Amino acid sequence: GQQVMQIPQYQHVQEGEDFTTYCNSSTTLSNIQWYKQRPGGHPVFLIQLVKSGEVKKQKRLTFQFGEAKKNSSLHITATQTTDVGTYFCAEKEGNRDDKIIFGKGTRLHILP
Amino acid sequence: EPEVTQTPSHQVTQMGQEVILRCVPISNHLYFYWYRQILGQKVEFLVSFYNNEISEKSEIFDDQFSVERPDGSNFTLKIRSTKLEDSAMYFCASSLDSYTEAFFGQGTRLTVV
Repeated sequence: GQQVMQIPQYQHVQEGEDFTTYCNSSTTLSNIQWYKQRPGGHPVFLIQLVKSGEVKKQKRLTFQFGEAKKNSSLHITATQTTDVGTYFCAEKEGNRDDKIIFGKGTRLHILP
Repeated sequence: EPEVTQTPSHQVTQMGQEVILRCVPISNHLYFYWYRQILGQKVEFLVSFYNNEISEKSEIFDDQFSVERPDGSNFTLKIRSTKLEDSAMYFCASSLDSYTEAFFGQGTRLTVV
């Protein structure tokens, strides 16, 4: 089945530094979704990208979908302690697009 | 703001026992899902449910698992005979349709001893 690979697995950054996580697939993705899961919490939907080359911003977060729709990235500018958590990319797939396949996630730890 | 609610938040059960995990999806949503997350690992799809039937299921969702929507509000996941490896956080999710985002519940932590 479809697999989305995510790197890095862990990232430690100083507060105020930028952070980027990357998501890759060997096949073309129909869409890419990003979720954030706080420690001990549940996945919370951040955004969905559908179009080739799409870029969306949410405050300090920038999401990109590659031109070939095989990769995506999430970039956080000037990290804050509230950014701590695991960021998952995912593809919504299935006959009726009703199954979400998650990547393994990138766990972000912020050093004060 | 509407949310998906799950009960219980934590369930401890003996190996071989049956468990039922309960979920109340967001009221106007039509698609319902169960996912699980073994500690420290990724979120794994178990099953999706639409129009009172399973629309997709993963290889994890074997004969020991079943789902039910017994009434207009609840959505349950039953594990017939639990195994140690079933220990995980189980998340219920719902979405309005097949194209919009899924909203996840807070999860039920299942511990099989």
